[in-house]
Amino acid sequence: EIVLTQSPATLSLSPGERATLSCRASQSVSSYLAWYQQKPGQAPRLLIYDASNRATGIPARFSGSGSGTDFTLTISSLEPEDFAVYYCQQRSNWPRVITFGQGTRLEIK
Amino acid sequence: QLQLQESGPGLVKPSETLSLTCTVSGGSISSSSYYWGWIRQPPGKGLEWIGSIYYSGSTYYNPSLKSRVTISVDTSKNQFSLKLSSVTAADTAVYYCARDPPDSGFDYWGQGTLVTVSS
Repeated sequence: EIVLTQSPATLSLSPGERATLSCRASQSVSSYLAWYQQKPGQAPRLLIYDASNRATGIPARFSGSGSGTDFTLTISSLEPEDFAVYYCQQRSNWPRVITFGQGTRLEIK
Repeated sequence: QLQLQESGPGLVKPSETLSLTCTVSGGSISSSSYYWGWIRQPPGKGLEWIGSIYYSGSTYYNPSLKSRVTISVDTSKNQFSLKLSSVTAADTAVYYCARDPPDSGFDYWGQGTLVTVSS
């Protein structure tokens, strides 16, 4: 089973600052890595898929990078609405198995 | 606009079977090559994939839950369903259904439904 480890657990930043979130896989997932944002009481929202592709309607300040085992989600300049919990997720297709990281909480400093 | 809606009992007794249905509207569950998945989130914790069903009916389950999970699809009602047997308090969670494209992440989600396991 592939384990995803996210760091840091909590990130405290101010609006306008740059956020860098990390996700490390226990073995290569190629580029099959997605990122989600979740706000309290809401379902997760897909931000990035296949490591670097923004999902429909996602602002350009969100970007993803990486391949293999090390991935990064970057928010270039934080807006007040960006403070939330972020999860990474990997998929393998044959057979289809999906795992999530434990999440990073992005909080206002 | 595709919409998904979970439905089912909010309270299940220990050792019984949890049953939920996801109704898809705004698109056909069988018209495209998508998976349809279930994800859960215990209160205050992270996300856990339960399993997915391909539009053709093939199923894929989280190995840690496989012995207790059944996912099925009813194309005539545009629904897919989850059954989780022998539940315990550890199965208390918000359960989400979502569309699971083969080459992306979960892109459409239901609002989630809280299921509590308690006597």
